[in-house]
Amino acid sequence: EDKVVQSPLSLVVHEGDTVTLNCSYEVTNFRSLLWYKQEKKAPTFLFMLTSSGIEKKSGRLSSILDKKELFSILNITATQTGDSAVYLCAPSKAAGNKLTFGGGTRVLVKP
Amino acid sequence: EAQVTQNPRYLITVTGKKLTVTCSQNMNHEYMSWYRQDPGLGLRQIYYSMNVEVTDKGDVPEGYKVSRKEKRNFPLILESPSPNQTSLYFCASSAINRGPSTDTQYFGPGTRLTVL
Repeated sequence: EDKVVQSPLSLVVHEGDTVTLNCSYEVTNFRSLLWYKQEKKAPTFLFMLTSSGIEKKSGRLSSILDKKELFSILNITATQTGDSAVYLCAPSKAAGNKLTFGGGTRVLVKP
Repeated sequence: EAQVTQNPRYLITVTGKKLTVTCSQNMNHEYMSWYRQDPGLGLRQIYYSMNVEVTDKGDVPEGYKVSRKEKRNFPLILESPSPNQTSLYFCASSAINRGPSTDTQYFGPGTRLTVL
């Protein structure tokens, strides 16, 4: 059975702090790993990672994948209150475009 | 604007009263999927479709039906809703890339369903 575990479950930080979110997975026929951000609405796409060791960056967010150890990290530097959200990771399978979502990490950034 | 739309956005109904939640995308995507999101359980796939007239069960299909008669539409049907189907429902779509990378799934705005 496919399994995706995200940690921590939640965290509270102050503006300017750096956060590191973890995603470990066990998925058969792994293809890619996607990160989404979910505020009080639909998940919005952040990153897709396919290759190990290659960091993807978008502004203050960055992410990396380790296919040998089966985990991914999402980093947010210089956090802002607008970063408050639930962050979801979802590995995809080679067949059927299927995404298996982790339970998410809830991040609260205080002013 | 490229988007996935769902209707209705909010629905309160009673047990046993058939309902349909519509989903439509304007990106000519082959793949469409329905998820439900519940506290503590995350997003779980209900049904998906790889193309017109091709549908398959996801992880939690019981109590749901879908159809894919047109590429842009993928309605979710609850023939006899029950309180345990109270949830937040998302439709998503993507192209199908047969290369090494998965295509990004784009999500609709969600439908909050309450079954009394």
